[in-house]
Amino acid sequence: AQTVTQSQPEMSVQEAETVTLSCTYDTSESDYYLFWYKQPPSRQMILVIRQEAYKQQNATENRFSVNFQKAAKSFSLKISDSQLGDAAMYFCAYKRSQGTASKLTFGTGTRLQVTL
Amino acid sequence: NAGVTQTPKFRVLKTGQSMTLLCAQDMNHEYMYWYRQDPGMGLRLIHYSVGEGTTAKGEVPDGYNVSRLKKQNFLLGLESAAPSQTSVYFCASSYLGWTDTQYFGPGTRLTVL
Repeated sequence: AQTVTQSQPEMSVQEAETVTLSCTYDTSESDYYLFWYKQPPSRQMILVIRQEAYKQQNATENRFSVNFQKAAKSFSLKISDSQLGDAAMYFCAYKRSQGTASKLTFGTGTRLQVTL
Repeated sequence: NAGVTQTPKFRVLKTGQSMTLLCAQDMNHEYMYWYRQDPGMGLRLIHYSVGEGTTAKGEVPDGYNVSRLKKQNFLLGLESAAPSQTSVYFCASSYLGWTDTQYFGPGTRLTVL
C-alpha cells in the first residue's frame, strides 16, 4: 500500500522569506502523480501544484515550486516570497495513474505559520 | 460556475439519528468522491463514483452509504450515526479518474453526540 509521510507537523516562516515543506512517499509503482493541497481556515482544499512522475522537470506555479526526487521518493514544496495568505495546512498527496479509480492518499499535513 | 458545493456546512446529530450530506458539482465531472478528515490524519476516502448510477467503496466505507442518481449530485448517507463519525466531510470531483485533478468542496463539519 502507498503511504505518504509529512514529518513536519508545523513550520513557521517570515513574510517575504522562503520555506520548504517536506514530503516522502512509499510506492512500488513507476507511474503516478503527486500533489500539494492547501487548506486555509475556511477548510476548502485548494490544489497548489501537481507533478507527474514521468516528468523529470520540477513543476512550478508562480511562487510555488517542487523538488521532485523520484529515486529518493521525495516531493518537497518550496514557497518563495511568503505572504500572510499562505498560512494554512498543507497536504501532500499521491495518486496512482493506473487503476479503477483515482484514489488520493494524503499525508497528515504541515501547518504553516507566516509571521510579520 | 460554483464548482463543488456541499450542504449543510455544519450539523449536530444524536447517536442513532440519520442524515444525508449533499454534494453538487456544475463542472460536468464524471468522478465524485467523499472523504473524511480527522485531527492528525490526512483525508481518507469513504466512497466514490466513476459515473452516474455507479458507486464503489473506498478506504473507510463502514457506516456510510452513497448514491449517484444524477451526474451532478453525490449523496452521502449515515443511517445510524455514531460518535466515531464525528468528522469533517469533504466532497470532491474530477473530470477523469486516472489523471485529472480533484476539486474539493468547502466541507461539512458533523458532530455526533
